[in-house]
Amino acid sequence: SAVISQKPSRDICQRGTSLTIQCQVDSQVTMMFWYRQQPGQSLTLIATANQGSEATYESGFVIDKFPISRPNLTFSTLTVSNMSPEDSSIYLCSGGVLGANEKLFFGSGTQLSVL
Amino acid sequence: QKEVEQNSGPLSVPEGAIASLNCTYSDRGSQSFFWYRQYSGKSPELIMFIYSNGDKEDGRFTAQLNKASQYVSLLIRDSQPSDSATYLCALNSGNTPLVFGKGTRLSVIA
Repeated sequence: SAVISQKPSRDICQRGTSLTIQCQVDSQVTMMFWYRQQPGQSLTLIATANQGSEATYESGFVIDKFPISRPNLTFSTLTVSNMSPEDSSIYLCSGGVLGANEKLFFGSGTQLSVL
Repeated sequence: QKEVEQNSGPLSVPEGAIASLNCTYSDRGSQSFFWYRQYSGKSPELIMFIYSNGDKEDGRFTAQLNKASQYVSLLIRDSQPSDSATYLCALNSGNTPLVFGKGTRLSVIA
């Protein structure tokens, strides 16, 4: 299994500011994803982080709000831009190996609170 | 739109009993099925995966898949209080990202 390090683990931010979350995987994975989990809810996919190109966003998520980078196979960042209280959530980085039998592993998550 | 349905619970079982968690899905093209365990305040942890119809056992856990009926279940034998968590069902079709259910909260009563 892959070990995924994510930081920061938590942050409290002011409205209108931006926060960048970093994700580092200990082994090469072909797929990296960013999920959001709001209180009491399941995981919602934000986007697929593509190495060296623009991320693929799910419906309801846009690049201007959630810019994502993935400069190599093992590292990705998610920025939450121009934050509002509605962005308060847990953000989870995940990684896996491409294929029908893909197993997805998760980082420890970033608990974000926006005041 | 792929949908993954789970009873939100809470499902309460006494210690030592069998906990049965169920999941149904809408996409007949789904190929891979996963169960994640999530403790409160923690990230999801992969505990079981199954790709073929039938049962797959791993220790106290058994995953059951029935593609014709479009359901997958997780049995936990000899349930322990440490099994108390939210269990998330997830699936995908080939190279697509995982789609998650909302999870079932399990409470094992000592």
